Amino acid sequence: DTAVSQTPKYLVTQMGNDKSIKCEQNLGHDTMYWYKQDSKKFLKIMFSYNNKELIINETVPNRFSPKSPDKAHLNLHINSLELGDSAVYFCASSQDGWERGTDTQYFGPGTRLTVL
Amino acid sequence: AQSVTQLDSQVPVFEEAPVELRCNYSSSVSVYLFWYVQYPNQGLQLLLKYLSGSTLVESINGFEAEFNKSQTSFHLRKPSVHISDTAEYFCAVSNTDKLIFGTGTRLQVFP
Repeated sequence: DTAVSQTPKYLVTQMGNDKSIKCEQNLGHDTMYWYKQDSKKFLKIMFSYNNKELIINETVPNRFSPKSPDKAHLNLHINSLELGDSAVYFCASSQDGWERGTDTQYFGPGTRLTVL
Repeated sequence: AQSVTQLDSQVPVFEEAPVELRCNYSSSVSVYLFWYVQYPNQGLQLLLKYLSGSTLVESINGFEAEFNKSQTSFHLRKPSVHISDTAEYFCAVSNTDKLIFGTGTRLQVFP
């Protein structure tokens, strides 16, 4: 019955590889997000989608490509992984946050990515 | 541009003592303010939020925060903490489409 789920929980890979992180929400929300939390716990938004449409694309390298096959899923694909990509990546969703800013965001448990 | 400052990166406190976690924000427009909590190895959960109306907002587990527009602050307080309150606490501000988070405050409660 997990509201926002992510797979995998841990991901260890070599520099230069391509990897994907999957996210699913069963809350019926319209908006989904990807955040990156660095080693100092600083949390920064990367992308948001509303009903499968890209709304926010912060200054993220184009090696990062989000894909939303339907409004319940938002996957993150990363090409040519670099050491600096090591972080915890959180997926989140909200009912309709993209234009009101008032909605609670519900976070997944995170994916800890380690690039060697 | 909006920003959030959490002045204390760590706050150690003994069980049953009161605690205050400080949060200041800057914004040229009206904002909505949030406190999220992150327990070890988990995602963030909403603790409480201020949208409008009464400036004092409360959570179900005894935390409260007061919106102070003149001081641009939204400090989080609890009169008596428990061991289980040990976590990372994030203040965040939003006015439209995204949350801007502070750098977090680690609350460590000792027996």
